[in-house]
Amino acid sequence: KNQVEQSPQSLIILEGKNCTLQCNYTVSPFSNLRWYKQDTGRGPVSLTIMTFSENTKSNGRYTATLDADTKQSSLHITASQLSDSASYICVVRPIGQNFVFGPGTRLSVLP
Amino acid sequence: DTAVSQTPKYLVTQMGNDKSIKCEQNLGHDTMYWYKQDSKKFLKIMFSYNNKELIINETVPNRFSPKSPDKAHLNLHINSLELGDSAVYFCASSLTGEGDYGYTFGSGTRLTVV
Repeated sequence: KNQVEQSPQSLIILEGKNCTLQCNYTVSPFSNLRWYKQDTGRGPVSLTIMTFSENTKSNGRYTATLDADTKQSSLHITASQLSDSASYICVVRPIGQNFVFGPGTRLSVLP
Repeated sequence: DTAVSQTPKYLVTQMGNDKSIKCEQNLGHDTMYWYKQDSKKFLKIMFSYNNKELIINETVPNRFSPKSPDKAHLNLHINSLELGDSAVYFCASSLTGEGDYGYTFGSGTRLTVV
């Protein structure tokens, strides 16, 4: 069964600090993996997309990594800002099938 | 603004009522979707429409029915609402075909059944 798990479930950090969110998946056959940011009361917005051959991809202060062998991905946020407070959702697409969404990690950045 | 827009943003209604949620996209996408986000924040696909054809229909109750008057609209009709239908419903759209494209999501409709 295709599944996506994320950890931690929630995270609280101080403004300016770095953090790393984890995603493990059992999706097969793998097509690509995305990280989405979902602000409270809004729809998810794509941050990064990674295919099988990509190990790292950055989008500003967000850096995603992918290890296709261990089926793990991480999202690293550098120098966090208050506006980074949101849910971060890992989404994996199997070839020819629908996207599989993880439950998300709720990040709170405090001043 | 180019976007996926849903209305209403909030909907409170009594059990047994029939309600609709509207969705429109002006991105030129050819596929639209409805997702349900439950209390545990999982996003689960309900329907997708491509060129007015239902191509995916997950095991949702037949009280839920998508209606697509044209490629830019996909409305969600819900009959005989139940307490368990309370959730946030997201509309999304994408381009399909060669390559792979991400979704653009609407802002969601919070449905509360009392």
